[in-house]
Amino acid sequence: DAGVIQSPRHEVTEMGQEVTLRCKPISGHDYLFWYRQTMMRGLELLIYFNNNVPIDDSGMPEDRFSAKMPNASFSTLKIQPSEPRDSAVYFCASSFSGSTGTGELFFGEGSRLTVL
Amino acid sequence: QKEVEQNSGPLSVPEGAIASLNCTYSDRGSQSFFWYRQYSGKSPELIMSIYSNGDKEDGRFTAQLNKASQYVSLLIRDSQPSDSATYLCALNYQLIWGAGTKLIIKP
Repeated sequence: DAGVIQSPRHEVTEMGQEVTLRCKPISGHDYLFWYRQTMMRGLELLIYFNNNVPIDDSGMPEDRFSAKMPNASFSTLKIQPSEPRDSAVYFCASSFSGSTGTGELFFGEGSRLTVL
Repeated sequence: QKEVEQNSGPLSVPEGAIASLNCTYSDRGSQSFFWYRQYSGKSPELIMSIYSNGDKEDGRFTAQLNKASQYVSLLIRDSQPSDSATYLCALNYQLIWGAGTKLIIKP
């Protein structure tokens, strides 16, 4: 079975440009998470969805960041305009809640973003 | 005070010994606790989850939870070089994460 699929794997862009990261969760999973990881701040939760509905976006750094989940098989994280401090690895993860809360997270391989 | 504290390491352990990783947290209401392993350049993967006070064993791994003292630990028995990675502690259904402890197993 395919795991969580993220694209692009690597993105290099210039400050001020728009960046769109994409995620396809595992089929049947009802939770989707977006995380950002840097050496300085570790793994940070940005936003998570349950059944395509955003539950908590308090981790989104500022209005430059937005996330959508138009259907159960696709989500996007958009940064507009991008800044050098946005450089990080962005992970998407999905899970099936069952009876144990959010369940085990399955992570994608990550999108490494570099903003020059 | 950070919500979740982990010693960043690196923690160096000889092969075959027990590696002990610790995580302390500030929210007494925390209910769920997870240990993830992350190899360099890879994504995190779940090792164990624990919800109740006490020990939970899975193969060479044992998670220990003490809610009164607000810590959760991970013991790795018979450490192998392949255990060398960063270990991340997560709380509250994986909404809050520690910065991770880098573990190095020396042959």
